Amino acid sequence: DAKTTQPTSMDCAEGRAANLPCNHSTISGNEYVYWYRQIHSQGPQYIIHGLKNNETNEMASLIITEDRKSSTLILPHATLRDTAVYYCIVRVTDSGYALNFGKGTSLLVTP
Amino acid sequence: GAVVSQHPSWVICKSGTSVKIECRSLDFQATTMFWYRQFPKQSLMLMATSNEGSKATYEQGVEKDKFLINHASLTLSTLTVTSAHPEDSSFYICSARVFSSFRETQYFGPGTRLLVL
Repeated sequence: DAKTTQPTSMDCAEGRAANLPCNHSTISGNEYVYWYRQIHSQGPQYIIHGLKNNETNEMASLIITEDRKSSTLILPHATLRDTAVYYCIVRVTDSGYALNFGKGTSLLVTP
Repeated sequence: GAVVSQHPSWVICKSGTSVKIECRSLDFQATTMFWYRQFPKQSLMLMATSNEGSKATYEQGVEKDKFLINHASLTLSTLTVTSAHPEDSSFYICSARVFSSFRETQYFGPGTRLLVL
């Protein structure tokens, strides 16, 4: 799986958009970008994933650059409950392998 | 999304006893489940891959005789911590693979917090 680089921590004001970057410059053509988050003392929660097109669901939007070397997870209107550690993971889908969690970005949403 | 449950959510036991943790896929069948462990202020670390009807595959450094995994059905995998010691105290999390529209996603259980006294 390609290596990812994320900022250690970020702050965001409640109600504003939270933009979480992820660098994956060594990504291969068949690797997807997955985003998960872990709220304190809970299991990780799936957010979104994509290959090369931008994706949107009820939780977030995923913007992948044209060269696929980086991506941004966007939480359009952050709430206090979005405070969590966000993990960007790059891997081949249907590989049968587990997800490799790095250190992620600790997002703090403030009132 | 798909729902994965774990039981118990927390457990306290005496050193030397065994503890069983259940992981269930509630609304789908999972041929593969994964078991992770997370220590305070650290990320998740994969312990083993559990495949229905076959032996689990353990990561390097994880003792298979201490952490017994059974995946007897398509909706249930169990992790038994045998002869638990205080250093086994951790947050144990399972996940299951789901396929939808030819894409794979993994969904996680809420975790089980184990405290060994």
